[in-house]
Amino acid sequence: GAVVSQHPSRVICKSGTSVKIECRSLDFQATTMFWYRQFPKQSLMLMATSNEGSKATYEQGVEKDKFLINHASLTLSTLTVTSAHPEDSSFYICSAGVGQVPPFAFFGQGTRLTVV
Amino acid sequence: AQTVTQSQPEMSVQEAETVTLSCTYDTSESDYYLFWYKQPPSRQMILVIRQEAYKQQNATENRFSVNFQKAAKSFSLKISDSQLGDAAMYFCAYRAVLYGNKLVFGAGTILRVKS
Repeated sequence: GAVVSQHPSRVICKSGTSVKIECRSLDFQATTMFWYRQFPKQSLMLMATSNEGSKATYEQGVEKDKFLINHASLTLSTLTVTSAHPEDSSFYICSAGVGQVPPFAFFGQGTRLTVV
Repeated sequence: AQTVTQSQPEMSVQEAETVTLSCTYDTSESDYYLFWYKQPPSRQMILVIRQEAYKQQNATENRFSVNFQKAAKSFSLKISDSQLGDAAMYFCAYRAVLYGNKLVFGAGTILRVKS
């Protein structure tokens, strides 16, 4: 099956700094990628849709200036958490779709962000 | 707006037995897809099974099968011959054809498998 690689798997950063998370589709091209946030024992909350070559579409309530998304190529999307604060600590997951029919969605391994 | 409801926060099953996880959804769309994803302790999301709404036949993948009731907007997952490796959080998810690949997830059901 298709592989989506997310890096890093864990990151600890100081409050006020920025951290970048990468999401790569290894064996297919993804015009669209998705970024989710997950709190412990809760569901995945869609943060934004990353579109190659254009601006990301953010879900209601998600600060676009805090969570910068760049989708510069068909195989790479990045999420940058700017001026991170402890409340940004969470598990972040990306996904990419393969084709339209059937619409498989494959997920990266996730990134555990801890802001201290 | 589309919503997905999983009413069972936790379920337990004895090894080798069968368990059914419930999922209901709400949509006004006629063309959509439904999925069950498994999230083990590693937190890697794994696609378990999928169902296209236009197909009447219930999907089956080895020990996993679904009971898709379109009129009732119900999409339950049956796991037969449960194994210890099935212990995980299970998410039901919905995707409308018209809205790209955006998935709407239910709250999840934690499945515990007893040996």
